[in-house]
Amino acid sequence: AQTVTQSQPEMSVQEAETVTLSCTYDTSESNYYLFWYKQPPSRQMILVIRQEAYKQQNATENRFSVNFQKAAKSFSLKISDSQLGDTAMYFCAFNYGGATNKLIFGTGTLLAVQP
Amino acid sequence: GAGVSQTPSNKVTEKGKYVELRCDPISGHTALYWYRQSLGQGPEFLIYFQGTGAADDSGLPNDRFFAVRPEGSVSTLKIQRTERGDSAVYLCASSERQAPYNEQFFGPGTRLTVL
Repeated sequence: AQTVTQSQPEMSVQEAETVTLSCTYDTSESNYYLFWYKQPPSRQMILVIRQEAYKQQNATENRFSVNFQKAAKSFSLKISDSQLGDTAMYFCAFNYGGATNKLIFGTGTLLAVQP
Repeated sequence: GAGVSQTPSNKVTEKGKYVELRCDPISGHTALYWYRQSLGQGPEFLIYFQGTGAADDSGLPNDRFFAVRPEGSVSTLKIQRTERGDSAVYLCASSERQAPYNEQFFGPGTRLTVL
């Protein structure tokens, strides 16, 4: 069975600083997909960034980048130049495709950006 | 364009009652998912529709839970004989087609409270 672990329940960062959120996963699949979702208080889940396991290059989306270590089954999210609007729950998620394409989520990290 | 919408936004019911939660996916999206998010947890998969059929209902916790999508668009999640443990946020997501890399777009969820 696939599992996703986020070991940091809460994180805090000063505005304009950089923060890294950790995520590890467990799977026997060779190809799969990893995602970071943001969930603000409005509850709307928003895709932040995604990574295909067969791609060695780490994904980047503006201020957001990932450090994907396939052998270590690690997928961390780096947020640069943190902004107050980044305050939210962040969920790491895994998807190996199969017949369903369902997402398997971690328990989340609550990020607070301090002014 | 319009995103995924869910109604009602909040639902309070009494133990033992029947409830229906509605999801309107993005127009043209053939894949539709229901997830349940308990307090302090990440979303957990409930059921997946491809078109009108439930292709995977392995996440439904028991036979009190049922979902339909009769015309391949709107979906309704139905919960019979509600229990206090059913209290959670129920999230709906849709994607263009069933494929791992296709982004799942989430609705704002329905917060169900069973008294």
